[in-house]
Amino acid sequence: DAGVIQSPRHEVTEMGQEVTLRCKPISGHNSLFWYRQTMMRGLELLIYFNNNVPIDDSGMPEDRFSAKMPNASFSTLKIQPSEPRDSAVYFCASSFGRYNEQFFGPGTRLTVL
Amino acid sequence: AQKVTQAQTEISVVEKEDVTLDCVYETRDTTYYLFWYKQPPSGELVFLIRRNSFDEQNEISGRYSWNFQKSTSSFNFTITASQVVDSAVYFCALSGNGSEKLVFGKGTKLTVNP
Repeated sequence: DAGVIQSPRHEVTEMGQEVTLRCKPISGHNSLFWYRQTMMRGLELLIYFNNNVPIDDSGMPEDRFSAKMPNASFSTLKIQPSEPRDSAVYFCASSFGRYNEQFFGPGTRLTVL
Repeated sequence: AQKVTQAQTEISVVEKEDVTLDCVYETRDTTYYLFWYKQPPSGELVFLIRRNSFDEQNEISGRYSWNFQKSTSSFNFTITASQVVDSAVYFCALSGNGSEKLVFGKGTKLTVNP
């Protein structure tokens, strides 16, 4: 079975531009997570969905960030407008059931100039 | 609040040495879950193990073993006879408090030299 799929793998954009990151979870998984990894803050959760419903978005930095999960096989994380401090690796992960292991995608390395 | 501390920032060993990575956690929950993940230089996060708070049995998987001690709030990870391919950053993580969110430690970078 394919793992979690993320696109794009790398994104370089200029400050002020809109950025959309995409994620396809493992088929059959009902929870989806977005994490961000930076040198300063380490790995931190931005938001997670259970059965396509947002459960915890307390980690979303500010209104510039939004996430959607229109169906069980697709989620997006959007940053508008982007800022240099948003530069990070963004990981999507999925899991089956509750409190089970999360399987991570390869990540999207975002650079905002 | 939940917290995970990995006090060892970097460890360097020579191949075939045993190495233990420390993880100390803080939580007020009686039910919680502990995890270890590996992040090799290629950058992906690889799941290694999950433990719930009611299961204190140690676990062994090949050269990997885990020691969970509730009395000291620790969940340590030992690699026996380390190999160069074990070089990676290892993260300990915790979930609970009614949330599936993983709270990660800062990670320990392990370098195994030939």
